[in-house]
Amino acid sequence: NAGVTQTPKFRILKIGQSMTLQCAQDMNHNYMYWYRQDPGMGLKLIYYSVGAGITDKGEVPNGYNVSRSTTEDFPLRLELAAPSQTSVYFCASSIVAGGYEQYFGPGTRLTVT
Amino acid sequence: QQQVKQSPQSLIVQKGGISIINCAYENTAFDYFPWYQQFPGKGPALLIAIRPDVSEKKEGRFTISFNKSAKQFSLHIMDSQPGDSATYFCAAGPGGYQKVTFGIGTKLQVIP
Repeated sequence: NAGVTQTPKFRILKIGQSMTLQCAQDMNHNYMYWYRQDPGMGLKLIYYSVGAGITDKGEVPNGYNVSRSTTEDFPLRLELAAPSQTSVYFCASSIVAGGYEQYFGPGTRLTVT
Repeated sequence: QQQVKQSPQSLIVQKGGISIINCAYENTAFDYFPWYQQFPGKGPALLIAIRPDVSEKKEGRFTISFNKSAKQFSLHIMDSQPGDSATYFCAAGPGGYQKVTFGIGTKLQVIP
């Protein structure tokens, strides 16, 4: 199993550009998450999904959108990129939420200038 | 509102020493308390987790201590090694389908 994969690893965007961060998992997990990690701020939940077709907002959803058309894929869309979206983005998955282990991808480092 | 408070933000320990990282939570509905370890350039990975029906859980050199009445839990790393140098996140959440909330992280450096 590849686990959780994310592409790209690095990206530089200009202000106002849009992009999609890709995330895929091959563990047949129902739950998937997007986090952003900023120095001294820990991991902040952006969006999560409890299954195909079902998504919900986390702590910091503004400026982002998600979709979940299949169990395997959970892309994160950035519209009109802003410098405040410069961060490291992690995708994770778990069998269920709450009391079960989350498996994280390797992350995408995004810089908006 | 910071639901999980973690301290210290950074920690330097000599090889062979004990590393201690503390977390406190506010929500009494929380009943799952995992610790994640993150090496530079990698995603976090589950290290050890505890539920409130026990006060301590040990896995090798890593121990979680849990104080339900004080709403605090801590990670102890015994005989700390340079390979333990990483960022450690505590987290907490209720059971069921609810998600966990992460602390801000502690960057641990173990020096020879």
